[in-house]
Amino acid sequence: GENVEQHPSTLSVQEGDSAVIKCTYSDSASNYFPWYKQELGKRPQLIIDIRSNVGEKKDQRIAVTLNKTAKHFSLHITETQPEDSAVYFCAASKGAGSYQLTFGKGTKLSVIP
Amino acid sequence: NAGVTQTPKFQVLKTGQSMTLQCAQDMNHEYMSWYRQDPGMGLRLIHYSVGAGITDQGEVPNGYNVSRSTTEDFPLRLLSAAPSQTSVYFCASRPFTTDTQYFGPGTRLTVL
Repeated sequence: GENVEQHPSTLSVQEGDSAVIKCTYSDSASNYFPWYKQELGKRPQLIIDIRSNVGEKKDQRIAVTLNKTAKHFSLHITETQPEDSAVYFCAASKGAGSYQLTFGKGTKLSVIP
Repeated sequence: NAGVTQTPKFQVLKTGQSMTLQCAQDMNHEYMSWYRQDPGMGLRLIHYSVGAGITDQGEVPNGYNVSRSTTEDFPLRLLSAAPSQTSVYFCASRPFTTDTQYFGPGTRLTVL
């Protein structure tokens, strides 16, 4: 089955700096890669996703890049703010026809004011 | 729309007790699933369903049963709770036509 590795497990940045979280996946058939943000005691919330026919996607201060050849994808947060502090999860699946979404183990991001 | 709802929010059980975690969605989503979240482990799929009357196992199904008699409801049953089942449980749903999953608020279960 699919295996998703996520690094780093913890990340501290100064407010205003950029943060990068990286994930690798094992199944070359995976074609959908979402990122979730989870605040303490809350449910995971989708913040951005990318499909394998796209190399990069941006939404304001958040961007995701995908390298299909290397089977890795990354989340980039620019101009970090204290409210970005949370646990971020990457995931991979084979798309709408697949019922299994495999998650990485998460990255705890702390933005220091 | 209420989205995906879960009850209870918190539950404490003794080893060997049984209980059912409830999950409901009002978005007419075909696909529903249960995940457990443990510290440092991410979310792991327990069981999923692609429609009423159809269920299948995920990555960590042992100790859990599910059924899907309606589109709206997807309960998770623990027949004989064990301390290893102490976790936070999330239900999720999505329509067939998109990849985006919608998560419920979670149930925090402690088994003593």
